[in-house]
Amino acid sequence: AQSVTQLGSHVSVSEGALVLLRCNYSSSVPPYLFWYVQYPNQGLQLLLKYTSAATLVKGINGFEAEFKKSETSFHLTKPSAHMRDAAEYFCAATNFGNEKLTFGTGTRLTIIP
Amino acid sequence: DADVTQTPRNRITKTGKRIMLECSQTKGHDRMYWYRQDPGLGLRLIYYSFDVKDINKGEISDGYSVSRQAQAKFSLSLESAIPNQTALYFCATSARVWGEVGLDTQYFGPGTRLTVL
Repeated sequence: AQSVTQLGSHVSVSEGALVLLRCNYSSSVPPYLFWYVQYPNQGLQLLLKYTSAATLVKGINGFEAEFKKSETSFHLTKPSAHMRDAAEYFCAATNFGNEKLTFGTGTRLTIIP
Repeated sequence: DADVTQTPRNRITKTGKRIMLECSQTKGHDRMYWYRQDPGLGLRLIYYSFDVKDINKGEISDGYSVSRQAQAKFSLSLESAIPNQTALYFCATSARVWGEVGLDTQYFGPGTRLTVL
């Protein structure tokens, strides 16, 4: 069964610092991987997704993620944090032929002024 | 106007009451989903529907039922609410990506915060 692990339920970074949110997946077949963001009092919206076309995926708002098969990871990064990045971030995974997403438990990102 | 709407946005009810949460979408998507979100547990799938005649249980369907009244409407019911159903509930929709099963992006509503006393 597919599983997704997000290390760190809370991450705090200073404004302008690097953002790194970690996601590891377990899958016996090649996965499709997603990062969603949830701003306060809103639903989730897609940041980016990995579809096997390229290992480095660029998303909205300056975020990107790199698929590393050897590490079964899909970590989310942003070079310079902005106050508006404060939100909860969810990693999710599925496989070809599996039409249900498995979500991680989420990481709440706090930006320190 | 929002593409995926949920009503009500907040609801407080008592144990044993029947509750219905409604979801409507104007995106023209055929697929709809109900999730619940609990702190520290992420999102868990309750039910999903790939068209009006296709309804499937998710990982935590016990205590819930659904109705797909039309392509654009998908309702979630709690027949007899209990306190551990207190959670944030999200509806989501997606459109099938032909030839790439599993790749469809899900679009979420704003959520319904349900409290069962």
